[in-house]
Amino acid sequence: DAKTTQPPSMDCAEGRAANLPCNHSTISGNEYVYWYRQIHSQGPQYIIHGLKNNETNEMASLIITEDRKSSTLILPHATLRDTAVYYCIVRVADKDKLVFGTGTILRVKS
Amino acid sequence: DAGVIQSPRHEVTEMGQEVTLRCKPISGHDYLFWYRQTMMRGLELLIYFNNNVPIDDSGMPEDRFSAKMPNASFSTLKIQPSEPRDSAVYFCASSLSGDGYTFGSGTRLTVV
Repeated sequence: DAKTTQPPSMDCAEGRAANLPCNHSTISGNEYVYWYRQIHSQGPQYIIHGLKNNETNEMASLIITEDRKSSTLILPHATLRDTAVYYCIVRVADKDKLVFGTGTILRVKS
Repeated sequence: DAGVIQSPRHEVTEMGQEVTLRCKPISGHDYLFWYRQTMMRGLELLIYFNNNVPIDDSGMPEDRFSAKMPNASFSTLKIQPSEPRDSAVYFCASSLSGDGYTFGSGTRLTVV
């Protein structure tokens, strides 16, 4: 699976959009971009995934650049409960392993 | 569905003792994964099963660790003998056809 690069930490004001970047310059054509998050003391939680088109669900939006070398996870109106570690993972969909990196610690502040 | 259920939530044991962690995956899911999380090493995949068959155990740290899945609704991770460096949070996850994973709440293991 391709490697990803994420900033170690970010801050965001409550109510504002949180934009979390991820670089995956060596991504292959059949690899998807997955986002998970882990709130303190809980197991990781699936957020969203996409191949090349932008995706949106009730939790977040995923913007993937045209060359697919980077992506941005957007939480449109961050709340204090969104404070968590966010993991960007690249893998072939339905391929077995999900390998976690170090992620981005997002702190939402009031 | 109650999600992935792990037990116990917390386990404190003495070095040298046997420890058994348990996991009940989501009904109908055909993949089951065991992860370990520590501050130093982050989230590590230990082993995973597909249709109750172990597929990849390359993440199992040593022979003291073993995992079984006797049926589709139950799995165990056993450490014998346990050591202080095994202290970590152990997560179980399941998925359907290897796609989106659902994680349990974890078992916090402390070996003293």
